[in-house]
Amino acid sequence: ENVLTQSPAIMSASLGEKVTMSCRASSSVNYMYWYQQKSDASPKLWIYYTSNLAPGVPARFSGSGSGNSYSLTISSMEGEDAATYYCQQFTSSPLTFGAGTKLELK
Amino acid sequence: EVQLVESGGGLVQPGGSLKLSCAASGFTFSSYGMSWVRQTPDKRLELVATINSNGGSTYYPDSVKGRFTISRDNAKNTLYLQMSSLKSEDTAMYYCARGGYDYERFAYWGQGTLVTVSA
Repeated sequence: ENVLTQSPAIMSASLGEKVTMSCRASSSVNYMYWYQQKSDASPKLWIYYTSNLAPGVPARFSGSGSGNSYSLTISSMEGEDAATYYCQQFTSSPLTFGAGTKLELK
Repeated sequence: EVQLVESGGGLVQPGGSLKLSCAASGFTFSSYGMSWVRQTPDKRLELVATINSNGGSTYYPDSVKGRFTISRDNAKNTLYLQMSSLKSEDTAMYYCARGGYDYERFAYWGQGTLVTVSA
């Protein structure tokens, strides 16, 4: 199984601060997917094919990476961005999710 | 608007069975692979089962293989998950999601239905 390790597990950021979170795969993957989940809600597709924003996702979000190392970046933190972000891969079977990075507003 | 509405969750004893349903609307259901993804109490996400658009191909991880069966009725726009021999570790929120089969991203998720396995 391709284990996805997300770091940090929990982080906080101030309004306007740049945020970067990481997802590292135990085996190389072709693409990474990211989902946003807010409390008491279901996950939402946020980024697909590593760097493509899902419809409605603000342009302050971006995704990058290749091989074993991927990241999600927010250029300027806003209050509505506080949530848990999960990475996910399809390259290896079974598809797997990371444990999530919880982003809080400082 | 795409909608996925799950139902059928509840409290069940270990060794028991439960059948979940997911009613889909707002898209051509028969054109998409579908999946069940669960979120355990520690918030981890795990694929439970996936099925292709015509129901002819399915996939299960080892953790549920032989106990869970995914199926679909394209005439009724409904996805199902039959769960048997339930264990305490199956306790989770179960989400219906569009995608998961053949590298298709999970573009839409339902609101989830809670399954609790406990004596």
